[in-house]
Amino acid sequence: EAAVTQSPRSKVAVTGGKVTLSCHQTNNHDYMYWYRQDTGHGLRLIHYSYVADSTEKGDIPDGYKASRPSQENFSLILELASLSQTAVYFCASSDLGGDEQYFGPGTRLTVL
Amino acid sequence: GQGVEQPDNLMSVEGTFARVNCTYSTSGFNGLSWYQQREGHAPVFLSYVVLDGLKDSGHFSTFLSRSNGYSYLLLTELQIKDSASYLCAVRDLASSGSWQLIFGSGTQLTVMP
Repeated sequence: EAAVTQSPRSKVAVTGGKVTLSCHQTNNHDYMYWYRQDTGHGLRLIHYSYVADSTEKGDIPDGYKASRPSQENFSLILELASLSQTAVYFCASSDLGGDEQYFGPGTRLTVL
Repeated sequence: GQGVEQPDNLMSVEGTFARVNCTYSTSGFNGLSWYQQREGHAPVFLSYVVLDGLKDSGHFSTFLSRSNGYSYLLLTELQIKDSASYLCAVRDLASSGSWQLIFGSGTQLTVMP
């Protein structure tokens, strides 16, 4: 069954530390996305990628980097974690159209 | 201003219907999607519309009026398990020239017995 998986499912990090969130998809999709969701808010796009070894900035890229080493894998990197980056992070994949996105289960990140 | 707007909350009664509204103002438009998100879970795709009118998909139907920047998701024969957040997302043209989904903050639907 096609799926999007994320690791870790939850993470506690210290301010100023480095955090890497990983995403793996078996949908054979070209497009992958990283969103963050804050309590009571919608999803906001951080970075996305439409081909391996290339990433694009979304609406809120500041403080985040992304890496797409292969079609199946997409990582989100926080080089210097800050309190404001406490949120739930979702990875998603889609085909070229992008209208139907398949989401991973999410990673709850708490920065202390 | 630019964005996708939804009411925060909606309550309805089991066995009846609920209409979840969405208004948008974006620089471009190439379709609108609806997602269901249960508490503590990932969003799940429900429907996509790009043409004006009503799209009947049984339990879920969607309406779009592009000239008014308006859509709604209609749930009929409500069940308690329909209680969830419903997210509206507009496919908008980003400054990079690629299409992106702009999500509303979601409407929390509560279905009462």
